[in-house]
Amino acid sequence: GQQLNQSPQSMFIQEGEDVSMNCTSSSIFNTWLWYKQDPGEGPVLLIALYKAGELTSNGRLTAQFGITRKDSFLNISASIPSDVGIYFCGYSGGGADGLTFGKGTHLIIQP
Amino acid sequence: ETGVTQTPRHLVMGMTNKKSLKCEQHLGHNAMYWYKQSAKKPLELMFVYNFKEQTENNSVPSRFSPECPNSSHLFLHLHTLQPEDSALYLCASSTRTDYGYTFGSGTRLTVV
Repeated sequence: GQQLNQSPQSMFIQEGEDVSMNCTSSSIFNTWLWYKQDPGEGPVLLIALYKAGELTSNGRLTAQFGITRKDSFLNISASIPSDVGIYFCGYSGGGADGLTFGKGTHLIIQP
Repeated sequence: ETGVTQTPRHLVMGMTNKKSLKCEQHLGHNAMYWYKQSAKKPLELMFVYNFKEQTENNSVPSRFSPECPNSSHLFLHLHTLQPEDSALYLCASSTRTDYGYTFGSGTRLTVV
């Protein structure tokens, strides 16, 4: 099957720091999506990327679809306490087989 | 509220029980999905319905039985589950199977 690696697995940062996480795959994909999940809730879509090289921002969040179509990163600038949660990348190869997700990056903000 | 509503939010059931999870969306989406989320594991796709037709069954045991009576409703019927089936079951919908999904809040299932 297709390998999807999301890193880091967890991050411990201070409030105000910038955050960077990424996903890489062994295959080429058509779509990269970034989600955030708060405890006890379902994932919420943050950013969707549909073109290689695409760079998209959503407030303090920025994500890019790698030019090789095998990777994507998500940056969060000036982190705040409500950024705590699990961030998932997801990809689609197209067709009717739905999305596949990475294992998630746990973001923890230390006081 | 995301537009995808799942009920119940929490469910405790015995291994001999039969129960159903319900998902409802009024976003006009054509595709609906069931995902399983266990601790320390990635989100696992279980079933995909596209225009009410099941297009994916990701090797899910037969004790999980999906039903999609129309494009707005999706059910997951459960029977003779095992303790390892305890997890958060998430429903999602989308306009297309490769577009961004909208997830519900999930049903936290505990099998005792």
